[in-house]
Amino acid sequence: EAQVTQNPRYLITVTGKKLTVTCSQNMNHEYMSWYRQDPGLGLRQIYYSMNVEVTDKGDVPEGYKVSRKEKRNFPLILESPSPNQTSLYFCASSLSGLAVTGELFFGEGSRLTVL
Amino acid sequence: LAKTTQPISMDSYEGQEVNITCSHNNIATNDYITWYQQFPSQGPRFIIQGYKTKVTNEVASLFIPADRKSSTLSLPRVSLSDTAVYYCLVGPTLNYGGSQGNLIFGKGTKLSVKP
Repeated sequence: EAQVTQNPRYLITVTGKKLTVTCSQNMNHEYMSWYRQDPGLGLRQIYYSMNVEVTDKGDVPEGYKVSRKEKRNFPLILESPSPNQTSLYFCASSLSGLAVTGELFFGEGSRLTVL
Repeated sequence: LAKTTQPISMDSYEGQEVNITCSHNNIATNDYITWYQQFPSQGPRFIIQGYKTKVTNEVASLFIPADRKSSTLSLPRVSLSDTAVYYCLVGPTLNYGGSQGNLIFGKGTKLSVKP
């Protein structure tokens, strides 16, 4: 089954404790991206990757890191989480970054709480 | 980057046709318009995409006027299960200049369908 898998789905952590949210896709997609969703603010892009070893900042990259060492994986790293990073996070992938391919496939989301 | 403006919320009744309009005044020549649907605690999913005039699929129609500065998502005969948030997404452009993968979703329109 074609899918984007995120882990963990739910996490409660404390300020300053490094954490990684994994994202994996099995569709051989080139493009992957991370979003956070907060009430009243919609979806905001954190980072994106056009292909392996190519990453770039989205609109809200502060406090996050990413890496793209393999095509299928695109982990989101919070080196020193803070309470303002409490949010619902989504990973998405697409055949390419071009809109002509149409569809972004989203994961089920990871709800992160930083105390 | 083309930013979008949508109504924050809309109400409808079962069986009615719903039209959600999105404004994108600074859309670029090579930008496409894509709509996504999101249910609570789930990732968004693709509904429809178009460039100009009209596009129709099994779930919706997309109307785009000649100037492309707005677009309208039309949902025929909505049911309770169409209650969701709908996002209009414009871009990215085909210029490979770094912004190609930067996607701006906006805040979406929360559609509530009542019996």
